[in-house]
Amino acid sequence: GDSVTQMEGPVTLSEEAFLTINCTYTATGYPSLFWYVQYPGEGLQLLLKATKADDKGSNKGFEATYRKETTSFHLEKGSVQVSDSAVYFCALRPSGAGSYQLTFGKGTKLSVIP
Amino acid sequence: DGGITQSPKYLFRKEGQNVTLSCEQNLNHDAMYWYRQDPGQGLRLIYYSQIVNDFQKGDIAEGYSVSREKKESFPLTVTSAQKNPTAFYLCASSSHPRDSYEQYFGPGTRLTVT
Repeated sequence: GDSVTQMEGPVTLSEEAFLTINCTYTATGYPSLFWYVQYPGEGLQLLLKATKADDKGSNKGFEATYRKETTSFHLEKGSVQVSDSAVYFCALRPSGAGSYQLTFGKGTKLSVIP
Repeated sequence: DGGITQSPKYLFRKEGQNVTLSCEQNLNHDAMYWYRQDPGQGLRLIYYSQIVNDFQKGDIAEGYSVSREKKESFPLTVTSAQKNPTAFYLCASSSHPRDSYEQYFGPGTRLTVT
């Protein structure tokens, strides 16, 4: 079945450091890929998405590129802030008609210290 | 304001009791979802509903039940048959199942069963 593997956390960075959170997936065909963010005590919010190979999703300074050849969708940000402290989830939705269910990774907790 | 409401935020129950978690949305969304979140486990889909009076089992439906009598409401009942009910429960909705990546999440209910 489909699966998403994220780097294990927690990840602790100093403010203004560069962030990479690795995400790889296993799925047939061309799934759509997403990053969600969960701030403390809240539900998830869609951060960015990519629906086909080589697409780059971006939002709030975060970027991720859909790499079909390496089945990856790594999340990056050039300069993190304390307010970016949250749990980040990589997710996929299979291709094909009727494939609406999302598969989530286990999440990576990011802590940014001043 | 449009959004998803989950109540209560914290819920405590004794083992052997059924408990119902509320989820209401005023976004006029067709599809609704229930997830369970455990530490280090990511999100797992319990049930989803694509339209009123219809719902489907997700990956971990055993010990849970749902109803969808109204478009805006999708309550989840955690029954005494659920072996490990203590968890954080998240409700979500999307405008149509094909837009499942654009899921809007509620703030969650943390259920503790002792």
